[in-house]
Amino acid sequence: GDSVTQTEGQVALSEEDFLTIHCNYSASGYPALFWYVQYPGEGPQFLFRASRDKEKGSSRGFEATYDKGTTSFHLRKASVQESDSAVYYCALGTGNYKYVFGAGTRLKVIA
Amino acid sequence: EAAVTQSPRNKVAVTGGKVTLSCNQTNNHNNMYWYRQDTGHGLRLIHYSYGAGSTEKGDIPDGYKASRPSQENFSLILELATPSQTSVYFCASGDARGRPQNTLYFGAGTRLSVL
Repeated sequence: GDSVTQTEGQVALSEEDFLTIHCNYSASGYPALFWYVQYPGEGPQFLFRASRDKEKGSSRGFEATYDKGTTSFHLRKASVQESDSAVYYCALGTGNYKYVFGAGTRLKVIA
Repeated sequence: EAAVTQSPRNKVAVTGGKVTLSCNQTNNHNNMYWYRQDTGHGLRLIHYSYGAGSTEKGDIPDGYKASRPSQENFSLILELATPSQTSVYFCASGDARGRPQNTLYFGAGTRLSVL
């Protein structure tokens, strides 16, 4: 079945560090790819998406590029802030409106 | 603004008891979803629905039933709760129009403990 793999379970960075969270997917067809962010005590909220090869999604300084060749959608940010501390989920959406999420990556940014 | 409301927010149940988690959305979305969140597993899909009267099995449906009596409401039912169902449960809604790149809107979650 369809699946999403996030390599990092936890990431700890200092403010202004560069962030990369790796996301790889396995799916039949041509899924849409998403990043969601979850703050403590809240539900996940949409960050951005991409729906075709080489498309870049971005929001709030975060970005990721859909790469069908490597089946990846890695999240990057050039300079993280303490307020970016949260759990980040990579997800895919399939043709029958089923959405599959990865295991999540907990980001902690130290001031 | 899109709104998904879950109730209760916290629930303690006994093993073997029946538990019903409720979800209401005011987004007028056709699709609704139930996920559970566990450390190391992320969000896993239990059941979903394409509209009133429809329910579909997700990736981990065993031990759960779902009910969609109306466009707005989607319930998750644990007929015989077990400690392994202790988790945080999230409901979400999504628009069914167009291609499947639509955003999901999540509720704030229900923390369930089965003792």
